[in-house]
Amino acid sequence: EVQLVESGGGLEQPGGSLRLSCAGSGFTFSTYAMSWVRQAPGKGLEWVSAISGRGDSTIYAESVKGRFTISRDNSKDTVYLQMNSLRGDDAAVYFCVKWSPNWNLLGLYALDVWGQGTAVTVSS
Amino acid sequence: QSVLTQPPSASGTPGQTVTISCSGTSSNVGSDYVYWYQHLPGAAPKLLIYRNHQRPSGVPDRFSASKSGTSASLAISGLRSEDEADYYCSAWDASLRGVVFGGGTKLTVL
Repeated sequence: EVQLVESGGGLEQPGGSLRLSCAGSGFTFSTYAMSWVRQAPGKGLEWVSAISGRGDSTIYAESVKGRFTISRDNSKDTVYLQMNSLRGDDAAVYFCVKWSPNWNLLGLYALDVWGQGTAVTVSS
Repeated sequence: QSVLTQPPSASGTPGQTVTISCSGTSSNVGSDYVYWYQHLPGAAPKLLIYRNHQRPSGVPDRFSASKSGTSASLAISGLRSEDEADYYCSAWDASLRGVVFGGGTKLTVL
């Protein structure tokens, strides 16, 4: 069974940093691009970032560009989201999602397996 | 303001058919596949439809979808109480170079 388990969420002050982790299992982790999607309280889904299977290519939403960094360690089947300079509007549940086996054809593949999410609260 | 436009709410009675629309532009819906997700409160979003109209295994054929130009729609027939959830459309946006979502449609089964 394909599974994604996020961790690392919590309460952080504005301007602070948090690192989220997501451990994958049940599939060949290094073959797939991975993504993060978030949902702020009372709001809809917002795509945040993605990383290629080999970890050599990344993309970001404009809202997080320059503040968040996505990375992965395929030896640990884990993807990370380093969040710096946190703002109030970064508060959300962050979902780790399995995506495409082909970085050059991202639109052809669904965000097909989602983790349960980890909650991030930004408040002083 | 979401890049894709969905009605904020929809409703129907058990057994009815409900349709949810999704409107985009030539850089997303008009040029790439549309995906639909079902999100129950407190749960992980679930892929409902991929590549415009394909259903993953395990998704009932009560769920169907289509796309024409820069618009797409999801239809749920034989409405059941367990269909009560938020539904999101999404697509790759070539201009933004990222995934865009609709604002979500809250479906209520009356």
